Amino acid sequence: AQKITQTQPGMFVQEKEAVTLDCTYDTSDPSYGLFWYKQPSSGEMIFLIYQGSYDQQNATEGRYSLNFQKARKSANLVISASQLGDSAMYFCAMTQGGSEKLVFGKGTKLTVNP
Amino acid sequence: DTEVTQTPKHLVMGMTNKKSLKCEQHMGHRAMYWYKQKAKKPPELMFVYSYEKLSINESVPSRFSPECPNSSLLNLHLHALQPEDSALYLCASSLLGRTDTQYFGPGTRLTVL
Repeated sequence: AQKITQTQPGMFVQEKEAVTLDCTYDTSDPSYGLFWYKQPSSGEMIFLIYQGSYDQQNATEGRYSLNFQKARKSANLVISASQLGDSAMYFCAMTQGGSEKLVFGKGTKLTVNP
Repeated sequence: DTEVTQTPKHLVMGMTNKKSLKCEQHMGHRAMYWYKQKAKKPPELMFVYSYEKLSINESVPSRFSPECPNSSLLNLHLHALQPEDSALYLCASSLLGRTDTQYFGPGTRLTVL
């Protein structure tokens, strides 16, 4: 079964600085997808970025980029130029093979300080 | 537009009540999902519907009964719930399932008294 590990329960960053949220994964399936979601205190799960296991380049979406290191099985999220509105819980998640099951890590709570 | 809507936003029910949660999407997605999320925990998958047929049931107790009347609508019928069932219930949809991105609704906060 696939497994997602987020080792940082909480992170703090100053406004306008960059921050990296760590995510490692474990799977024996060569085909998988990696996702990052943001969950503000309101509860909605907001999709940020996706990386496929066969993608050659790291995914980027605006201020979000995914540092994909396949050999190390890591998929870290980099947020550039942090904003106060980035304060939220961030979840790393993955699907594998032909399964629709999305498995989440425990999450990292990011706090952006002014 | 990647909007998934859920109603109601909040629900308080007694252990003998019967209630339903509703989820709707108009993105043409053919896979829909129910997740349960307890406080300070990640979401846990409950059910997956693919092309309006139940494809995954993560051993959820029978007091939770999902229904997919059509490709745009997903219901979760609740009956004889326990206080420990209090949680945020999230609905999601994706184009065809598998590794397609799942888009989530705002959730229903359920409290069982």
